[in-house]
Amino acid sequence: AQSVTQLGSHVSVSEGALVLLRCNYSSSVPPYLFWYVQYPNQGLQLLLKYTTGATLVKGINGFEAEFKKSETSFHLTKPSAHMSDAAEYFCAVSDGGATNKLIFGTGTLLAVQP
Amino acid sequence: SQTIHQWPATLVQPVGSPLSLECTVEGTSNPNLYWYRQAAGRGLQLLFYSVGIGQISSEVPQNLSASRPQDRQFILSSKKLLLSDSGFYLCAWAKRGGSETQYFGPGTRLLVL
Repeated sequence: AQSVTQLGSHVSVSEGALVLLRCNYSSSVPPYLFWYVQYPNQGLQLLLKYTTGATLVKGINGFEAEFKKSETSFHLTKPSAHMSDAAEYFCAVSDGGATNKLIFGTGTLLAVQP
Repeated sequence: SQTIHQWPATLVQPVGSPLSLECTVEGTSNPNLYWYRQAAGRGLQLLFYSVGIGQISSEVPQNLSASRPQDRQFILSSKKLLLSDSGFYLCAWAKRGGSETQYFGPGTRLLVL
């Protein structure tokens, strides 16, 4: 069975600082991995996803994530935080089947300090 | 392009009242559809998913039910709401296949008093 662990329910960075949000997964099949962002009172928006191929995945808004199979990790990074990055971030793993069910982590709330 | 709609955006209901939340998708056919609940300070809990008209799978036992009367319509219902049903309800759609992205609607905020 698949599972996702996001370390740190709250992360605070200064504007311009590196953003690092951690995600570790467990999967019995080759994983498909996703990062979503949620702004207050809105739905989730896809930031990026890993399916196969290149392990460094680039997404929207300057975010990227690296799939590391040996570490079962898919951490999300951004070199320089912007105030508009303040939101909640969710990591998810797909069950890999036709139903395409996603198993989500509990989320990380990112605060950006001026 | 595809779009997903949910309504209402906000709902305040008394305990014991019925519930009907609607989700519709445009611009695609035969999608997988999903209902999630997001309680305050918690992650997303998958409630139901559907791979076709009339085909509903429940992920957790609860006070809610779902139906899919048309290909691109997904309805979440309850006969009698409980306080614990309060939360943010999200509908999503995806094409078939494990690597496909789920696309989320704007959500419905439900407060049961």
